[in-house]
Amino acid sequence: SALTQPASVSGSPGQSLTISCTGSSRDVGSYNYVSWYKQHPGEVPKLIIYEVTKRLSGVSDRFSGSKSGNTASLTISGLQAEDGADYYCSSYANSSTWVFGTGTGVTVL
Amino acid sequence: QLQMQASGPGLAKPSETLSLNCPVSGGTISTSSYYWAWIRQPPGEGLEWIGSVYYSGDTYYNSSLKSRVTISVDTSKNQFSLKLSSVTVADTAVYYCARYLRDGDSFDYWGQGIMVTVSS
Repeated sequence: SALTQPASVSGSPGQSLTISCTGSSRDVGSYNYVSWYKQHPGEVPKLIIYEVTKRLSGVSDRFSGSKSGNTASLTISGLQAEDGADYYCSSYANSSTWVFGTGTGVTVL
Repeated sequence: QLQMQASGPGLAKPSETLSLNCPVSGGTISTSSYYWAWIRQPPGEGLEWIGSVYYSGDTYYNSSLKSRVTISVDTSKNQFSLKLSSVTVADTAVYYCARYLRDGDSFDYWGQGIMVTVSS
């Protein structure tokens, strides 16, 4: 089943916010293969973080990833207007299957 | 530069089989570096992994869709395909084809999706 994310989070410019992604021992808890995607409305999702903590080349260092147990997290520091978007986590599960999170809408106030 | 775009009918009737193709240009599909995946997104909802195929033809499916899904690869045409049978209104979604990078364990490239509506 889908990984659990908060439906929405918000913050003011310059603040930091964290999006959680909760799975289970069958996926997030067992593999360091969590990735994060950013999607603007009507656009294609874009990879920003892979293998829990690694930033894709060209992605701002304001984005960082981490994991503890069955929960992965994406932190956006120094929030900027262009960070407003939907964010999805994904994890390798088992037997070469993958699962996405429910998605989180980020609003920059 | 890699280019992928899902193609096929944008409308299907309930109980029919939805068929989509994803031609790949700017790179070969016959590489051990990637899996090739189908992912969908119903209007206003989240992403759902449908399944993946390796260039060898090995396939992996979402268990919730497995009984209705067939994904195949045609290396001679450098494309992969999706067939989803017995569609219902719940299958209405934007369907994306994507590349999964094995050494990175992530969907690193997504093609432009195609909106498929299931309606009588």
